[in-house]
Amino acid sequence: NAGVTQTPKFRILKIGQSMTLQCTQDMNHNYMYWYRQDPGMGLKLIYYSVGAGITDKGEVPNGYNVSRSTTEDFPLRLELAAPSQTSVYFCASSYLQGRNNEQFFGPGTRLTVL
Amino acid sequence: AQTVTQSQPEMSVQEAETVTLSCTYDTSESDYYLFWYKQPPSRQMILVIRQEAYKQQNATENRFSVNFQKAAKSFSLKISDSQLGDAAMYFCAYRALGGSEKLVFGKGTKLTVNP
Repeated sequence: NAGVTQTPKFRILKIGQSMTLQCTQDMNHNYMYWYRQDPGMGLKLIYYSVGAGITDKGEVPNGYNVSRSTTEDFPLRLELAAPSQTSVYFCASSYLQGRNNEQFFGPGTRLTVL
Repeated sequence: AQTVTQSQPEMSVQEAETVTLSCTYDTSESDYYLFWYKQPPSRQMILVIRQEAYKQQNATENRFSVNFQKAAKSFSLKISDSQLGDAAMYFCAYRALGGSEKLVFGKGTKLTVNP
């Protein structure tokens, strides 16, 4: 199993550009998450999904959109990039099975908006 | 809303010594999980240890152990026999049961291990 994979690893955007951060998991997990990590801070939840076709906002959803058409994929879309979106983005997934459902994280995408 | 506080932005320890990282949290729930994650320079988030709130026994994983004080809402991580590879950012995280099952993170503690 590859686990949780994210592409790209790094990206520089200009203000106003748009892009999609890709996230794929091959563990058949039903829950998937997008977090952002700003310098010197912990991770904050942007959006999450409890299954294909179901998404919901997290703590910091403004400026982002998501979709979940398959169990495996959970892309994050930035429509009009702003400098405040400069951050490291992590995708995570977990399988809700009883009480022990560890979240597995991808390697992260470092995004800079100039 | 739940919050997680790590009051030590940086800590250092000598190799082979023991260090304790502090974490406090705020919640009105009675059943939840607490975690410690390690983030080395590679950025990968690595689960170190987890604690279920309904269990009174403190969790241990090899050199890593926790001191869970539910009434005080305190969850500290003890690293014994520190190794150079333990140097990293350490994040305390909280997860309520049900709903989104999202993790709420503290700001982290940077641990330096001196040879």
